[in-house]
Amino acid sequence: DAKTTQPPSMDCAEGRAANLPCNHSTISGNEYVYWYRQIHSQGPQYIIHGLKNNETNEMASLIITEDRKSSTLILPHATLRDTAVYYCIVRSYNTNAGKSTFGDGTTLTVKP
Amino acid sequence: DTAVSQTPKYLVTQMGNDKSIKCEQNLGHDTMYWYKQDSKKFLKIMFSYNNKELIINETVPNRFSPKSPDKAHLNLHINSLELGDSAVYFCASSPWTGQGEKLFFGSGTQLSVL
Repeated sequence: DAKTTQPPSMDCAEGRAANLPCNHSTISGNEYVYWYRQIHSQGPQYIIHGLKNNETNEMASLIITEDRKSSTLILPHATLRDTAVYYCIVRSYNTNAGKSTFGDGTTLTVKP
Repeated sequence: DTAVSQTPKYLVTQMGNDKSIKCEQNLGHDTMYWYKQDSKKFLKIMFSYNNKELIINETVPNRFSPKSPDKAHLNLHINSLELGDSAVYFCASSPWTGQGEKLFFGSGTQLSVL
Protein backbone atom coordinates (compact mmCIF):
# COMPACT_ATOMS: atom_id res chain seq x y z
CA ASP A 1 0.00 0.00 0.00
CA ALA A 2 1.09 3.54 -0.71
CA LYS A 3 2.66 5.45 2.15
CA THR A 4 1.00 8.61 3.38
CA THR A 5 2.55 11.71 4.92
CA GLN A 6 0.65 14.14 7.13
CA PRO A 7 1.74 17.12 9.20
CA PRO A 8 1.98 16.16 12.87
CA SER A 9 -0.24 18.94 14.15
CA MET A 10 -2.50 21.80 13.10
CA ASP A 11 -4.58 24.43 14.84
CA CYS A 12 -7.88 25.85 13.68
CA ALA A 13 -10.17 28.55 15.04
CA GLU A 14 -13.66 27.45 15.98
CA GLY A 15 -16.13 28.13 13.18
CA ARG A 16 -13.45 28.30 10.53
CA ALA A 17 -12.68 25.66 7.92
CA ALA A 18 -10.03 23.11 8.83
CA ASN A 19 -8.00 21.89 5.87
CA LEU A 20 -5.95 18.78 6.58
CA PRO A 21 -3.45 17.76 3.89
CA CYS A 22 -2.19 14.30 3.06
CA ASN A 23 0.54 13.34 0.64
CA HIS A 24 0.34 9.96 -1.09
CA SER A 25 2.66 10.38 -4.04
CA THR A 26 3.06 6.62 -4.66
CA ILE A 27 -0.67 5.89 -4.86
CA SER A 28 -1.65 3.42 -7.56
CA GLY A 29 -4.68 3.41 -9.80
CA ASN A 30 -6.85 1.05 -7.75
CA GLU A 31 -6.15 2.64 -4.40
CA TYR A 32 -8.64 4.75 -2.52
CA VAL A 33 -7.95 7.49 -0.02
CA TYR A 34 -9.69 7.02 3.35
CA TRP A 35 -9.89 9.38 6.27
CA TYR A 36 -10.54 8.45 9.87
CA ARG A 37 -10.32 10.39 13.08
CA GLN A 38 -9.72 9.39 16.66
CA ILE A 39 -11.05 11.55 19.43
CA HIS A 40 -9.19 11.13 22.68
CA SER A 41 -9.86 7.77 24.36
CA GLN A 42 -12.26 6.62 21.65
CA GLY A 43 -11.97 4.25 18.72
CA PRO A 44 -11.22 5.63 15.25
CA GLN A 45 -14.23 6.91 13.36
CA TYR A 46 -14.65 6.67 9.59
CA ILE A 47 -15.07 10.07 7.94
CA ILE A 48 -14.95 9.78 4.17
CA HIS A 49 -13.20 8.08 1.28
CA GLY A 50 -12.65 8.70 -2.44
CA LEU A 51 -10.87 7.50 -5.57
CA LYS A 52 -10.36 10.50 -7.82
CA ASN A 53 -13.46 12.66 -7.66
CA ASN A 54 -14.09 15.06 -4.86
CA GLU A 55 -16.47 13.69 -2.25
CA THR A 56 -18.72 15.29 0.33
CA ASN A 57 -20.80 13.89 3.12
CA GLU A 58 -22.38 15.22 6.28
CA MET A 59 -19.06 15.23 8.10
CA ALA A 60 -16.53 16.57 5.62
CA SER A 61 -15.35 17.09 2.07
CA LEU A 62 -12.47 15.31 0.40
CA ILE A 63 -10.53 17.03 -2.34
CA ILE A 64 -8.16 14.82 -4.35
CA THR A 65 -5.71 16.42 -6.77
CA GLU A 66 -5.92 15.50 -10.42
CA ASP A 67 -2.71 13.48 -10.28
CA ARG A 68 -4.02 11.82 -7.06
CA LYS A 69 -0.73 12.35 -5.30
CA SER A 70 -2.27 14.38 -2.53
CA SER A 71 -5.59 15.11 -0.93
CA THR A 72 -7.17 17.49 1.56
CA LEU A 73 -9.83 16.76 4.11
CA ILE A 74 -12.01 19.80 4.77
CA LEU A 75 -14.11 20.29 7.88
CA PRO A 76 -16.13 23.30 6.76
CA HIS A 77 -17.02 24.77 10.16
CA ALA A 78 -14.77 23.26 12.79
CA THR A 79 -16.11 22.92 16.32
CA LEU A 80 -14.32 22.13 19.56
CA ARG A 81 -15.60 18.56 19.23
CA ASP A 82 -13.57 18.15 16.04
CA THR A 83 -10.35 18.20 18.07
CA ALA A 84 -8.86 14.78 17.31
CA VAL A 85 -6.12 12.89 15.51
CA TYR A 86 -6.92 12.58 11.81
CA TYR A 87 -5.56 9.64 9.83
CA CYS A 88 -5.18 9.46 6.07
CA ILE A 89 -4.90 5.90 4.70
CA VAL A 90 -4.52 4.60 1.18
CA ARG A 91 -5.92 1.17 0.41
CA SER A 92 -6.90 -0.92 -2.55
CA TYR A 93 -10.68 -1.26 -2.51
CA ASN A 94 -10.95 -5.02 -2.74
CA THR A 95 -8.04 -6.26 -0.72
CA ASN A 96 -8.44 -7.59 2.78
CA ALA A 97 -10.05 -4.78 4.62
CA GLY A 98 -8.48 -3.73 7.86
CA LYS A 99 -4.87 -4.56 7.12
CA SER A 100 -3.72 -0.94 7.25
CA THR A 101 -1.68 0.46 10.05
CA PHE A 102 -2.92 3.81 11.17
CA GLY A 103 0.25 5.89 11.32
CA ASP A 104 1.12 9.17 12.94
CA GLY A 105 -1.81 11.22 11.67
CA THR A 106 -2.42 14.93 12.24
CA THR A 107 -3.47 16.18 15.64
CA LEU A 108 -6.02 18.90 14.96
CA THR A 109 -6.71 21.30 17.80
CA VAL A 110 -9.75 23.52 17.39
CA LYS A 111 -9.45 26.63 19.53
CA PRO A 112 -12.22 28.94 20.75
CA ASP B 1 -27.55 0.93 20.73
CA THR B 2 -23.77 0.73 20.52
CA ALA B 3 -22.77 -0.70 17.15
CA VAL B 4 -19.48 -2.29 18.25
CA SER B 5 -19.18 -2.91 21.96
CA GLN B 6 -16.27 -4.38 23.83
CA THR B 7 -15.79 -5.26 27.48
CA PRO B 8 -14.19 -4.50 29.78
CA LYS B 9 -13.18 -0.91 29.14
CA TYR B 10 -10.31 -1.12 31.61
CA LEU B 11 -8.35 -4.20 32.58
CA VAL B 12 -5.58 -4.13 35.17
CA THR B 13 -3.81 -7.39 35.88
CA GLN B 14 -0.56 -8.96 37.00
CA MET B 15 2.12 -10.41 34.76
CA GLY B 16 1.57 -14.06 34.01
CA ASN B 17 -2.22 -13.94 34.28
CA ASP B 18 -4.65 -14.97 31.54
CA LYS B 19 -7.38 -12.54 30.50
CA SER B 20 -10.08 -12.16 27.88
CA ILE B 21 -11.63 -9.20 26.10
CA LYS B 22 -15.05 -9.60 24.53
CA CYS B 23 -16.43 -7.88 21.44
CA GLU B 24 -19.87 -7.84 19.90
CA GLN B 25 -21.25 -6.01 16.88
CA ASN B 26 -24.91 -5.49 16.01
CA LEU B 27 -24.33 -4.11 12.51
CA GLY B 28 -24.79 -7.41 10.73
CA HIS B 29 -21.22 -7.22 9.41
CA ASP B 30 -19.40 -10.30 8.22
CA THR B 31 -15.90 -9.27 9.25
CA MET B 32 -14.44 -8.43 12.62
CA TYR B 33 -10.97 -7.36 13.71
CA TRP B 34 -8.69 -6.80 16.65
CA TYR B 35 -6.30 -3.85 16.60
CA LYS B 36 -3.63 -2.89 19.11
CA GLN B 37 -2.70 0.72 19.82
CA ASP B 38 0.60 1.12 21.60
CA SER B 39 1.95 4.00 23.62
CA LYS B 40 3.14 5.75 20.46
CA LYS B 41 -0.45 5.70 19.23
CA PHE B 42 0.21 3.44 16.24
CA LEU B 43 -2.90 1.41 15.56
CA LYS B 44 -1.98 -1.93 14.05
CA ILE B 45 -4.10 -4.88 13.04
CA MET B 46 -3.68 -8.16 14.90
CA PHE B 47 -6.43 -10.43 13.54
CA SER B 48 -9.46 -10.42 11.33
CA TYR B 49 -12.26 -12.94 10.96
CA ASN B 50 -14.79 -13.27 8.17
CA ASN B 51 -17.85 -15.32 9.03
CA LYS B 52 -15.96 -17.03 11.86
CA GLU B 53 -13.00 -17.86 9.60
CA LEU B 54 -9.57 -16.40 10.34
CA ILE B 55 -8.54 -14.10 7.47
CA ILE B 56 -5.67 -12.00 8.78
CA ASN B 57 -3.21 -13.15 11.39
CA GLU B 58 -0.38 -10.66 11.71
CA THR B 59 2.82 -11.37 13.53
CA VAL B 60 1.35 -11.71 16.97
CA PRO B 61 2.66 -13.93 19.77
CA ASN B 62 0.70 -17.16 20.02
CA ARG B 63 -0.23 -16.14 23.55
CA PHE B 64 -2.94 -14.14 21.80
CA SER B 65 -5.81 -16.29 20.59
CA PRO B 66 -8.95 -14.90 18.98
CA LYS B 67 -12.19 -16.83 19.17
CA SER B 68 -15.25 -16.17 17.03
CA PRO B 69 -18.29 -18.17 18.21
CA ASP B 70 -20.45 -16.48 15.56
CA LYS B 71 -20.04 -13.64 13.13
CA ALA B 72 -21.34 -11.08 15.62
CA HIS B 73 -18.72 -11.90 18.27
CA LEU B 74 -14.93 -11.89 18.31
CA ASN B 75 -13.21 -12.39 21.62
CA LEU B 76 -9.52 -12.04 22.38
CA HIS B 77 -7.86 -14.29 24.92
CA ILE B 78 -4.36 -13.51 26.14
CA ASN B 79 -2.27 -16.06 28.04
CA SER B 80 0.69 -15.38 30.29
CA LEU B 81 0.40 -11.62 30.10
CA GLU B 82 3.62 -9.62 29.81
CA LEU B 83 4.43 -6.00 30.57
CA GLY B 84 4.71 -5.27 26.84
CA ASP B 85 1.11 -6.30 26.32
CA SER B 86 -0.01 -3.10 28.00
CA ALA B 87 -1.87 -1.15 25.31
CA VAL B 88 -5.34 -0.20 24.16
CA TYR B 89 -7.06 -2.97 22.20
CA PHE B 90 -9.77 -2.07 19.72
CA CYS B 91 -12.34 -4.31 18.17
CA ALA B 92 -13.76 -3.33 14.78
CA SER B 93 -16.10 -4.65 12.13
CA SER B 94 -16.78 -4.05 8.45
CA PRO B 95 -19.17 -5.36 5.82
CA TRP B 96 -17.59 -7.97 3.54
CA THR B 97 -18.84 -6.41 0.37
CA GLY B 98 -15.63 -4.99 -1.04
CA GLN B 99 -15.99 -1.82 0.95
CA GLY B 100 -12.34 -1.76 1.80
CA GLU B 101 -11.36 0.18 4.86
CA LYS B 102 -14.75 1.39 6.06
CA LEU B 103 -14.25 0.12 9.56
CA PHE B 104 -16.43 0.60 12.61
CA PHE B 105 -14.53 0.57 15.88
CA GLY B 106 -15.43 -0.14 19.46
CA SER B 107 -14.40 2.23 22.23
CA GLY B 108 -11.35 0.23 23.22
CA THR B 109 -10.07 -1.78 26.18
CA GLN B 110 -7.14 -0.30 28.06
CA LEU B 111 -5.02 -3.18 29.31
CA SER B 112 -2.44 -2.48 31.99
CA VAL B 113 -0.11 -5.31 32.98
CA LEU B 114 1.70 -4.72 36.26
